[in-house]
Amino acid sequence: GAVVSQHPSRVICKSGTSVKIECRSLDFQATTMFWYRQFPKQSLMLMATSNEGSKATYEQGVEKDKFLINHASLTLSTLTVTSAHPEDSSFYICSASLGGVSYEQYFGPGTRLTVT
Amino acid sequence: AQSVTQPDIHITVSEGASLELRCNYSYGATPYLFWYVQSPGQGLQLLLKYFSGDTLVQGIKGFEAEFKRSQSSFNLRKPSVHWSDAAEYFCAVGEVDEGAQKLVFGQGTRLTINP
Repeated sequence: GAVVSQHPSRVICKSGTSVKIECRSLDFQATTMFWYRQFPKQSLMLMATSNEGSKATYEQGVEKDKFLINHASLTLSTLTVTSAHPEDSSFYICSASLGGVSYEQYFGPGTRLTVT
Repeated sequence: AQSVTQPDIHITVSEGASLELRCNYSYGATPYLFWYVQSPGQGLQLLLKYFSGDTLVQGIKGFEAEFKRSQSSFNLRKPSVHWSDAAEYFCAVGEVDEGAQKLVFGQGTRLTINP
């Protein structure tokens, strides 16, 4: 149980275009979803936290107008990278939480974004 | 804010040898502690977690970790590693930030297995 999927697994887009990444909790309802960014050989950097039906809370330094997050249902959150630039190329990982007091997060397999 | 330190960026061990990955955290109360493993190009898989109770925690794939409050440590161990254990390992602590439960990750330790 507690499976999280991401789509697509890899995407290549041209500079200036937008790209959407989906994160789904397949067998549970996620109270909260998280979006992380990971640079090569580095740890995960939390970008934002989203609760279903609410606006996402962005971490300091993350541009909310560039990284649009929508958490439309308890099983789906999307991250849209708008007007992508090569420096946005990265590995994006989402996770989902059941809530409660466990802090436990279930991670998706990640999406490799390459902006040319 | 909480912090997690993994002192070893890269560790190499021989297949069949024992393994210990170090993790130190800063947290005032009893922490929620996690170890995750990440294979190249993949997401994170939970190995084990500590919330309370027995300080020696058993996880998947033969891993265990011991919570030592006096040392603020939560080191990961495995008695005999397999080539398939080669991966990146992340220690994390749970914290509440602006009302949200979040995970604070260490820098990660890359494990290489020699045949």
